[in-house]
Amino acid sequence: RKEVEQDPGPFNVPEGATVAFNCTYSNSASQSFFWYRQDCRKEPKLLMSVYSSGNEDGRFTAQLNRASQYISLLIRDSKLSDSATYLCVVNKENSSASKIIFGSGTRLSIRP
Amino acid sequence: DTGVSQNPRHKITKRGQNVTFRCDPISEHNRLYWYRQTLGQGPEFLTYFQNEAQLEKSRLLSDRFSAERPKGSFSTLEIQRTEQGDSAMYLCASSSDFGQGTHTDTQYFGPGTRLTVL
Repeated sequence: RKEVEQDPGPFNVPEGATVAFNCTYSNSASQSFFWYRQDCRKEPKLLMSVYSSGNEDGRFTAQLNRASQYISLLIRDSKLSDSATYLCVVNKENSSASKIIFGSGTRLSIRP
Repeated sequence: DTGVSQNPRHKITKRGQNVTFRCDPISEHNRLYWYRQTLGQGPEFLTYFQNEAQLEKSRLLSDRFSAERPKGSFSTLEIQRTEQGDSAMYLCASSSDFGQGTHTDTQYFGPGTRLTVL
């Protein structure tokens, strides 16, 4: 089993739709969680950190479920510019750089 | 542009040759990371520098790979005797720990160097 698993997609949704995807992690002691966005042939960029209480940034909402060991990302009122790959990042141990694990990403395509 | 820069952006080489990549982090950042990314996968950690000290290395980093950050600013990643399996995107990221010991800071990635080994 991979340490961080994501549905590779692609998720193909119409503009304006709400879309959500999950990321599961295997190490229950994992300490910090993030969503990065990566456009085609570009570098990853931080979208948002994921806090235990859940957090929202505009149209984006991230949730953490420690009991079931997953994090989620919800995108409301999707825009064409949201088309990208969304990478889930889990840090198994905050004091160690090598414990930062990236998922393989979920591809999202927004159609007009 | 004051972001992370990497050179070259593309490198094509023949198997067995040595290659060297350079990363210039954001100037005030004390942390520097190297990752490797292949198609359809997320970035995989290779190594980490805190200032000029190389503090962590992945088991993925064979003895053909070496990285330096001599003055705590730019970093180089060298691959000796390249193999076709080394073909990948090599990403550099930098961050600042603001005096904290944890790796919860935002990493800023460079555009990467795409290596093709023929």
